[in-house]
Amino acid sequence: QPVLTQPPSASASLGASVTLTCTLNSDYSNYKVDWYQQKPGKGPRFVMRVGTGGIVGSKGDGIPDRFSVFGSGLSRYLTIENIQEEDESDYHCGADHGSGNNLVWVFGGGTKLTVL
Amino acid sequence: QVQLMESGGGLVKPGGSLRLSCAASGFTFSDYYMAWIRQAPGKGLEWVSYISRSLSTIYYADSVKGRFTISRDNAKNSLYLQMNSLRAEDTAVYFCARGSQVAYFFDFWGQGTLVTVSS
Repeated sequence: QPVLTQPPSASASLGASVTLTCTLNSDYSNYKVDWYQQKPGKGPRFVMRVGTGGIVGSKGDGIPDRFSVFGSGLSRYLTIENIQEEDESDYHCGADHGSGNNLVWVFGGGTKLTVL
Repeated sequence: QVQLMESGGGLVKPGGSLRLSCAASGFTFSDYYMAWIRQAPGKGLEWVSYISRSLSTIYYADSVKGRFTISRDNAKNSLYLQMNSLRAEDTAVYFCARGSQVAYFFDFWGQGTLVTVSS
């Protein structure tokens, strides 16, 4: 099954841009990845799904236009432009794996984004 | 609006049992697959179990297979997780999540309920 790797932390200044990375292990280069935002003490919030062609489907409810995604090779990226204080969160990537008779979901370790 | 409210968490001794519930509102519960996902303190997310809309298909993570049982009552708009033979490593916040109607991801999550397994 796929393994998703995320750097544990990232930081960016208010108003700047940041790109978060989620890396798939080899053999899974065609997989789509889902990004989730999680604020302290809250449940995760779906951001959007990304494949090598970019966004797949629609963004989650209320996700601003400042959030975008792209994919290349084994990496799936979440870019946040004009960062606001409310963007300070943990960001998780996840992926489903399997077929109709067995499904599992895997997640990366999460990246804590600090807004400076 | 979509709401998912977990309950039933608490402190339990190793080997003990606990039943979690998730009350759903704001959408037609029977139209969506559901799942439980957990997060150990300071750790990432770990998928636990999935149940289809009609209860016909159920999957478990290997880490809980044989100990946990997922179920749902579409008439009561509720999702459940029966957890038996609990271990210290089951300590986590447990989230219920709604599955998307277009693909296999989770489009709404609850706030979570904390399960602590300790003697």
